[in-house]
Formats: sequence, C-alpha cells, structure tokens
Amino acid sequence: GAGVSQSPRYKVAKRGQDVALRCDPISGHVSLFWYQQALGQGPEFLTYFQNEAQLDKSGLPSDRFFAERPEGSVSTLKIQRTQQEDSAVYLCASSQTGDGSYNEQFFGPGTRLTVL
Amino acid sequence: AQSVTQLGSHVSVSEGALVLLRCNYSSSVPPYLFWYVQYPNQGLQLLLKYTTGATLVKGINGFEAEFKKSETSFHLTKPSAHMSDAAEYFCALAPYGSARQLTFGSGTQLTVLP
Repeated sequence: GAGVSQSPRYKVAKRGQDVALRCDPISGHVSLFWYQQALGQGPEFLTYFQNEAQLDKSGLPSDRFFAERPEGSVSTLKIQRTQQEDSAVYLCASSQTGDGSYNEQFFGPGTRLTVL
Repeated sequence: AQSVTQLGSHVSVSEGALVLLRCNYSSSVPPYLFWYVQYPNQGLQLLLKYTTGATLVKGINGFEAEFKKSETSFHLTKPSAHMSDAAEYFCALAPYGSARQLTFGSGTQLTVLP
C-alpha cells in the first residue's frame, strides 16, 4: 500500500480482556517498530523487528505484551489481561532496510486503545 | 543513555510570526536528530532530519533546524507561521549510525492565532 496502515483505529476493552492490534507496513520494508504513546507524551519504543526476527523487545512494559511478525510483513501486537494503564495510542512504523544505518521510519495513524 | 527535552509543552504564536520550538538532547554518542509533526488522528510525519554534514537543515513546509553540538540543541524554526502549522511537534534522536529506535521528547503543541 501507499503507507503504513493499522487496525483497528480505535479499540475499547474492558479491564482483563485480551486485545490484538494489527500493523501493515509499507510493502517491502524490512524493519518494523512498535511505539506506545500515552496521552500528552511522546511515543516510547516497545519493540523492533527485522523481517520476522524480533531483535529488540526491551521496551515492552510487561510480559502481558507480545508482538509477532511471522512472515516478515504484517505484525500483531497483543496485550493480554489489559489494565487501565495500557490505555494509549499504539503506533507502528516501518523502514526500508535493516542494516542498522539510518533509514526514515514511516508511521501509521495508530490504534487508540481505551481500557475501561 | 539518551534523552530529549522539549521546552514548553504549549506554544502560541500569531499568524505570520516567527515559530521557535526548543529541543535539547543528551546522548553518549553523536546523535541523529529529527523533528516530526503530528496532526490530530494522524501518524507522525517527518519534517526534517540531521544525520551528518551541514548543521542547518531545511525541511518541509518552510521549517528548518540547526544542530548545535556545543549547546546540545536542535531547535525548530519557521520565519512566518501559518494557520495550517497548528499541530503537535516532536523532537527525536537515534544513536549515530543507527535508527533502530527513536527516543522522543514529550512534544510541543503549537497554536497559531489569527
């Protein structure tokens, strides 16, 4: 597609429910990133994939958070047993290569998660 | 460890006035520096970037920023504000040679008054 897409755009969950957030990166992009943006804050890094390999998950806040990219394209961020503090906008970004050099990250519109 | 500090969570300017959004950084290695803009319900859009070379960088929509190593700053400016510039602006950095993960500031909401 023309850009990074994310679905759903909005998600309301009851505390304790599991949620799955989807990211479709730009076709052919090797690297994929997830960020969490709390209200009034800047995005914070969660995890990074190079193709299907999850190379960095240091930003995941707890073991309730899990991300995968099994075929090296679409990625899913799953949050188990959601808590109110998980309420945030979840941003996905992709970049063209994965050789570690600078490559612009292109961001999707985000999924706004509200946990009641 | 690295961090980004944006001074002023809200900035208001009159249409046609100078826009100045401040960004200071801390990094143990030379950084790549970025400014992103976020419009409501939209993703982040790259305005400009500093990687190497010229310290004054020009971006889209008439914005520019100057990398000042001695001041650890990367302030964003635009000579004349337009109503369409109203948005949230984020400064970000990545370690030199890598853009694997961006470290963002907390953002500055720019309001343009008619």
